[in-house]
Amino acid sequence: DGGITQSPKYLFRKEGQNVTLSCEQNLNHDAMYWYRQDPGQGLRLIYYSQIVNDFQKGDIAEGYSVSREKKESFPLTVTSAQKNPTAFYLCASSNSGGNTLSYNEQFFGPGTRLTVL
Amino acid sequence: QKEVEQNSGPLSVPEGAIASLNCTYSDRGSQSFFWYRQYSGKSPELIMFIYSNGDKEDGRFTAQLNKASQYVSLLIRDSQPSDSATYLCAVIPNDYKLSFGAGTTVTVRA
Repeated sequence: DGGITQSPKYLFRKEGQNVTLSCEQNLNHDAMYWYRQDPGQGLRLIYYSQIVNDFQKGDIAEGYSVSREKKESFPLTVTSAQKNPTAFYLCASSNSGGNTLSYNEQFFGPGTRLTVL
Repeated sequence: QKEVEQNSGPLSVPEGAIASLNCTYSDRGSQSFFWYRQYSGKSPELIMFIYSNGDKEDGRFTAQLNKASQYVSLLIRDSQPSDSATYLCAVIPNDYKLSFGAGTTVTVRA
């Protein structure tokens, strides 16, 4: 089955702890994205990567870090610097970054729900 | 001003009726517009995209775009209980990064 997997489904973090959320895709997509969703709000972009070994900050990158060592994988680390990390985290991928006139659909993983204890 | 604005709802419609969802955007240069459906606790799935002014129909869904008014809408005809979800409007403002609205929650009453 082709698709995007995220793990774990639920994650609990203690204050001051770093945690890493996993995102893997076997769709052979070049671009990958991390979003955060808070209750009653839309998705906000944290980081994105158009190609292996390269990534850019999104709108709310502070307190987060990523790596893109393999095409299939784009893990997100929520650091202790992120003061309000409780949220639903969604990973997505697409064929390429695209541009405004040539959009490639973003496919979403099932999400990870992170809660700070 | 938010880049993408939607009425949060909830929008309650009887089964078989038309549900009408509205979305406005701030960047006049936006070229691409999308509607995602998100069931509670699940990830979004793309249901419609539109690039050109006018209407685009796909089954029971119709997207309408008016770039002059910076307005995009989604009509759901013959609404079914399975259409009960949150609908997210998304826009590509000036690069390929999607900008999402907060979503409109739709409830279809049987």
